[in-house]
Amino acid sequence: QVQLQESGPGLVKPSETLALTCSVSGGSISSYYWSWIRQPPGKGLECIGHISDSGSTNYNPSLKRRVTISVDTSKNQFSLKLNSVTAADTAVYFCARFSGGGIRYFDLWGRGTLVTVSS
Amino acid sequence: DIQMTQSPSTLSASVGDIVTITCRASQTISRWLAWYQQKPGKAPKLLIYEASSLESGVTPRFSGSGSGTEFTLTISILQPDDFATYYCQQYYSYWTFGQGTKVEIK
Repeated sequence: QVQLQESGPGLVKPSETLALTCSVSGGSISSYYWSWIRQPPGKGLECIGHISDSGSTNYNPSLKRRVTISVDTSKNQFSLKLNSVTAADTAVYFCARFSGGGIRYFDLWGRGTLVTVSS
Repeated sequence: DIQMTQSPSTLSASVGDIVTITCRASQTISRWLAWYQQKPGKAPKLLIYEASSLESGVTPRFSGSGSGTEFTLTISILQPDDFATYYCQQYYSYWTFGQGTKVEIK
């Protein structure tokens, strides 16, 4: 079955760049849209943005100036970069798949990775 | 932005109870609403989409209803495995989640 796995540093210094990768296994990254979602400790879920298998992106307006999402179909991976991070960016970051090739709801999630912003 | 408001924030219930969670949208979202279950330290799990369609493999003890701005998730005959936090998510305009409802053991 298809599985998602986030990877990347668990600690990032303020003002630096958070960089995470989501590896898709057991299936192809093609024909779907893929998303990054975060959850600050004890809080709710926030969509960061998403990307299609062809590289078309859409970002949360509140984060747009700092976010880049990219896809590498040859590696079956997609990635997140968030610039100029602050403590407010401390969160569990999930990668997720939109269901059925559209951009509606999420039918598959990674386990999430905690990223702490601290000096 | 469409704001999603869930109530209650916390719900205390017993095994065997019927539980109802409400999600209200700040503007109409037709039936473009999903429900997720999240357990501590785990990723959310899709339960319901398009307000009332049950995701494959999900027990029919979960049901969803509503349209427009008001939606409900009902859990019938609450089981120990159902104690978790539940989120609604609209996908009418961008994608936003409710703040969550924690179902805890009474």
